[in-house]
Amino acid sequence: GQNIDQPTEMTATEGAIVQINCTYQTSGFNGLFWYQQHAGEAPTFLSYNVLDGLEEKGRFSSFLSRSKGYSYLLLKELQMKDSASYLCAVRDRNYGQNFVFGPGTRLSVLP
Amino acid sequence: SAVISQKPSRDICQRGTSLTIQCQVDSQVTMMFWYRQQPGQSLTLIATANQGSEATYESGFVIDKFPISRPNLTFSTLTVSNMSPEDSSIYLCSVYLSRAHEQYFGPGTRLTVT
Repeated sequence: GQNIDQPTEMTATEGAIVQINCTYQTSGFNGLFWYQQHAGEAPTFLSYNVLDGLEEKGRFSSFLSRSKGYSYLLLKELQMKDSASYLCAVRDRNYGQNFVFGPGTRLSVLP
Repeated sequence: SAVISQKPSRDICQRGTSLTIQCQVDSQVTMMFWYRQQPGQSLTLIATANQGSEATYESGFVIDKFPISRPNLTFSTLTVSNMSPEDSSIYLCSVYLSRAHEQYFGPGTRLTVT
């Protein structure tokens, strides 16, 4: 089966940098995805990693280490609007290529 | 990218009734999914909607309770049958664009069963 873990909640200050970790165990890893979800809204796609290393997209970066079953999402120059839940999901080829979502991390950005 | 609309956006239903949720995509996509999200929880996959064939259901979800239609590559419906208060949740459809490795979600349907 699959097991994905994330911290439940995190707090950071406006302008700072925050790293949200995600660990996973899966037998048929085929990509790791990060999503942002504001309260009352649908998730929006942020990033995709399938090879080891860092992918950068503006203020957001995502890192993957397949050997460690580990990823993180790095948010720089935090803004109040970044307060949201961040969901890590793994695509598993032994699970019909479907997505398995982690529990999500609720980030609060304080002034 | 893909733009997805869902109808209804919310509904309050009585126990024992059924509700059909519609999902419309602005382009043809092969992979379409239906998820459920309880308040404050993460997403749980209900089923993969397959065009031209029966949906593929995840453990804990059955066709009699959650029948799904996928008549073409831009549209799908999910029916929540014989509802009970435990079915109160947000139901989301999503599509996966395999070339771009991007997944998009509809705005969701907030269902309350009384």
